[in-house]
Amino acid sequence: DVKVTQSSRYLVKRTGEKVFLECVQDMDHENMFWYRQDPGLGLRLIYFSYDVKMKEKGDIPEGYSVSREKKERFSLILESASTNQTSMYLCASSFPGWGGYTFGSGTRLTVV
Amino acid sequence: KQEVTQIPAALSVPEGENLVLNCSFTDSAIYNLQWFRQDPGKGLTSLLLIQSSQREQTSGRLNASLDKSSGRSTLYIAASQPGDSATYLCAALGGSSNTGKLIFGQGTTLQVKP
Repeated sequence: DVKVTQSSRYLVKRTGEKVFLECVQDMDHENMFWYRQDPGLGLRLIYFSYDVKMKEKGDIPEGYSVSREKKERFSLILESASTNQTSMYLCASSFPGWGGYTFGSGTRLTVV
Repeated sequence: KQEVTQIPAALSVPEGENLVLNCSFTDSAIYNLQWFRQDPGKGLTSLLLIQSSQREQTSGRLNASLDKSSGRSTLYIAASQPGDSATYLCAALGGSSNTGKLIFGQGTTLQVKP
């Protein structure tokens, strides 16, 4: 069964910590995405990557960075976590073009 | 800029009813439209993917249609069951064909009562 795996289901971090969220896919997809989901705001795109070492800003990149050193792995980095980054984070991958997206199970991050 | 809207935001029906969830999008230049299901606190599960050249897709009790000219898609659920209770999201893929991004609606939260 093809998968997008997010390393943690739940994470609690302190304000100011550097936080790494990891995402791995086993479908040889070129494109990978990070979204955050908040009540009333829906899903918002943070960053995406359409190739190794390539990255593009989404709609809300402030306070985040990403890393894609290998095709199968896409990491989201919170440089200095803040309470307003408490959210559900969802990773997805797809083939370029007309293929559908496959999502991971999400990471619920709480910043205290 | 593409905007995707889902109406209604919430829906409650008795078990066994057939129901339709609506999705509209402002820019008809989409590559595909995808319907997802999300259970509370979980990730998104893909239900159906309709390419821009297609009119509909079916999977079991689910049927999704796409009308690009009117900017609408519908998800039809036949003979609803309590296990269908979840939030249903539609998303349109626009932009470049290789680096396109999914734009999501806000979702319809469905409750099917036994």
